[in-house]
Amino acid sequence: NAGVTQTPKFQVLKTGQSMTLQCAQDMNHEYMSWYRQDPGMGLRLIHYSVGAGITDQGEVPNGYNVSRSTTEDFPLRLLSAAPSQTSVYFCASSPGTATNEKLFFGSGTQLSVL
Amino acid sequence: GQNIDQPTEMTATEGAIVQINCTYQTSGFNGLFWYQQHAGEAPTFLSYNVLDGLEEKGRFSSFLSRSKGYSYLLLKELQMKDSASYLCAVRGRGSTLGRLYFGRGTQLTVWP
Repeated sequence: NAGVTQTPKFQVLKTGQSMTLQCAQDMNHEYMSWYRQDPGMGLRLIHYSVGAGITDQGEVPNGYNVSRSTTEDFPLRLLSAAPSQTSVYFCASSPGTATNEKLFFGSGTQLSVL
Repeated sequence: GQNIDQPTEMTATEGAIVQINCTYQTSGFNGLFWYQQHAGEAPTFLSYNVLDGLEEKGRFSSFLSRSKGYSYLLLKELQMKDSASYLCAVRGRGSTLGRLYFGRGTQLTVWP
C-alpha cells in the first residue's frame, strides 16, 4: 500500500530557480493539500483541492501554484524560488472533507533555497 | 482568523500521565484533531473530537469543550516511544471546510 507518495525527498535550489514537488495518492481520495512546516511555526496550509479541477488557497499561498488534473496527482510548483521558501513540505490527502475524515500525510520533502 | 495555542514543550517520566492542552479561537469550528509527529517523520492521526466530552483510545484520550474552545490530549502509562511532537488541529466550517488549521505543536520528552 503506497498511500501518499512525495518526490523528491530532498532538494536544493538556487534563488530564482523553479521546480515542482510531486504528490500522488492511490487511495482515490478526493481531498488533497500541501503544507509547509517551519521550526516553531507548525504546519501551515499552502493550497488544497476538494476534487479534480478544483483548487483553493490556504493560509500561505504566495509563491506557489497548484493544479489538479487527476484525482491521484497534486503537484506544487515554485515558479521562482526564494530563501523564505526553505522548509519541509508535506502533501496530505483524505477521502473528502466530512468533519471526521483524517489526513494521510506523505513522508515530506526537505527543500533548501540558497 | 484562526488562533490555536499549545504549550511549546513538556517533559514527563516513563509510566507517568501527561496532559497536553490546546485552546482555539476560530471563525468556524467543525472538529478537532490530534496528530503525533516523531522527529523527521510525517504526522500521524491520533484522535478526533467534534462533540463535547472524552474520547478514549487505549493509552490516549482526548477531551473537547466547544463552549470554552478547549481540548486536551491525555497520555497514560508513558513510554519512551511517546517522545514526539503533538499537534492540535481544527477543521474549518462553511467556506473554510476544506481547511485544517494546525497549532505549533507541543514537543513531549519522556525520560526514563
